[in-house]
Amino acid sequence: NAGVTQTPKFRILKIGQSMTLQCTQDMNHNYMYWYRQDPGMGLKLIYYSVGAGITDKGEVPNGYNVSRSTTEDFPLRLELAAPSQTSVYFCASSSSPRDRGIFGPGTRLTVL
Amino acid sequence: GESVGLHLPTLSVQEGDNSIINCAYSNSASDYFIWYKQESGKGPQFIIDIRSNMDKRQGQRVTVLLNKTVKHLSLQIAATQPGDSAVYFCAENGGATNKLIFGTGTLLAVQP
Repeated sequence: NAGVTQTPKFRILKIGQSMTLQCTQDMNHNYMYWYRQDPGMGLKLIYYSVGAGITDKGEVPNGYNVSRSTTEDFPLRLELAAPSQTSVYFCASSSSPRDRGIFGPGTRLTVL
Repeated sequence: GESVGLHLPTLSVQEGDNSIINCAYSNSASDYFIWYKQESGKGPQFIIDIRSNMDKRQGQRVTVLLNKTVKHLSLQIAATQPGDSAVYFCAENGGATNKLIFGTGTLLAVQP
């Protein structure tokens, strides 16, 4: 069991560029989440999914998009990168809304 | 109170003392709560959870207390060790929303 994996680990983008942050879990979890964590701050929910084909907005969805075509994968898309999106991004999964969420190692993104 | 420059409240304790970290949650419909530990440069790690039909749950050196009347959670760490130094977050499941929402977080600093 690899758990939750995220790629890339680090990335530097120029303003206006786009990229996709990858998240994969091998635990057959239905629930998946994307968070961002600014330096010295807490985690803010960007988007979440309760199963393949179903996604919903979290607390800070603006500037991001997601898809959930399979149970395993939950990619996060940034279309027009802005400096305000400089952050560490964490993906998590859980088997249900009443079970512990397992976190990936994070992707550190810098937009210059 | 708040720690200048870090944005997170800080709790400083002596090694061997007991620590109590508090959290106020926002959604009265939440029925599942989790405490996470986050070390520098890493993703959040599960510590202990509690369901809303309980008011106390104990783990190894940790105890979580839930007061639904005032929407308050606390994490008690017995005999705090230097390895406990980290940021601690509570999270709630938002009831029927299925969102896993995090609290602000508290930095625990253990003095040797």
